[in-house]
This record gives sequence, structure tokens and C-alpha cells, in this order.
Amino acid sequence: GENVEQHPSTLSVQEGDSAVIKCTYSDSASNYFPWYKQELGKGPQLIIDIRSNVGEKKDQRIAVTLNKTAKHFSLHITETQPEDSAVYFCAASNRNNRLAFGKGNQVVVIP
Amino acid sequence: GAGVSQSPSNKVTEKGKDVELRCDPISGHTALYWYRQSLGQGLEFLIYFQGNSAPDKSGLPSDRFSAERTGGSVSTLTIQRTQQEDSAVYLCASSIAGQEGTEAFFGQGTRLTVV
Repeated sequence: GENVEQHPSTLSVQEGDSAVIKCTYSDSASNYFPWYKQELGKGPQLIIDIRSNVGEKKDQRIAVTLNKTAKHFSLHITETQPEDSAVYFCAASNRNNRLAFGKGNQVVVIP
Repeated sequence: GAGVSQSPSNKVTEKGKDVELRCDPISGHTALYWYRQSLGQGLEFLIYFQGNSAPDKSGLPSDRFSAERTGGSVSTLTIQRTQQEDSAVYLCASSIAGQEGTEAFFGQGTRLTVV
């Protein structure tokens, strides 16, 4: 089955700087790659996703890039703000619609 | 409601007791997942239901854990003879099944504490 690895496990950035989280996946048939944000005491919520037919997608301060050849995808957060502090999960889904999640990344934005 | 609903939101139980956790997925979502999240840890896959197919139970940690999904909608996760290491947040998610992957919507989770 699909194996998704996510790193670094913890990332601290100064407010205003950029944060980048990278995930790798194992199944070349995977075609859908969502990113979730989990705030304390809440369930994860989708913040951005990308499909295998595009290489990059952007939504305001958040962007995701996909490299199918290398089987990795990254989340980019620009101009980080304190409210960006959370745990971020990447996931990969193949044609069977089964999502496999990474272990999560704790992002801390230092004011 | 419009989202995935889980109940109870919090559950404290004594070691050795059985517990049932409930998940009401979004109406029309045929795929349903259960995950476990220990304090400060990632999402541990437990079980996956997809339509009428046999569920993928490969993530259940022991035979004390079981889950069912009645009528393709509500799901119940049952933990028998609870142990302290079962203490965690149990998250349910649902999604629309399709040819391509689609977003999974998560509930708020059930925080289980075994004392």
C-alpha cells in the first residue's frame, strides 16, 4: 500500500518568514495529494490539495508543488503569521480513493 | 448537520470496560475512515469502509478493536476491555468515493481516557 513520509517533524519559523514542509510517497499510482491543518483540540481540515495532472497550485499565502517523477510534494506557506501555528498533515490517495497520511509536522511561528 | 459528527466528544472509562464511539458521516459519503491520534502524535489508521466492499481492517491494533458501519452510514468503533494505552483521540472522516481521490472531512474526534 501507499507509504507517505513527512519531514521535518517540527519546524519553527519567525513571523513573516516562509515555511516549507515536504512529503514523499511510494505509490506511483497516487493521483490526489491534500494537505490538512489541525489546530489544537480540533479535527484536521483541508487547506489545499493538488491532483497529479498539475505541478503547482496556489491559494493566497499557501502553495503546493508536486514532483511526480521524484514522488514528492511540498507545502509552502509565505509571510507566516501566528495563526499558522498548527500541525500539518500531508496525504496521498490513489484511484481506490484510500487516503494515506503522513505523521504530521508541528509548525511554530515565533512572533 | 453539514459535517461529520462524532459522539461522545469526551469519554472517561475504567480499565477493562468496553466503549463504543459513534461517527455520523456526511450524507452521501460512501467512504469512511477511523484514525487514532495519541497525544502529540500523528494519525494512526485503524479501519476504512468503502461502500459495500469488505472493510480494510489492517490498522486495527488488536482483536479488542472492532468497527461496523450499518446501512452504509453511521459507524461504531468498539473497544473491548479497554487498556490505558487505548487513551487517545479517535477521529472519523468521510469522503465521496469516486474515480479520483477526494477530500476527506474529519469530525472533531472523541477523546478517550482510560483510567
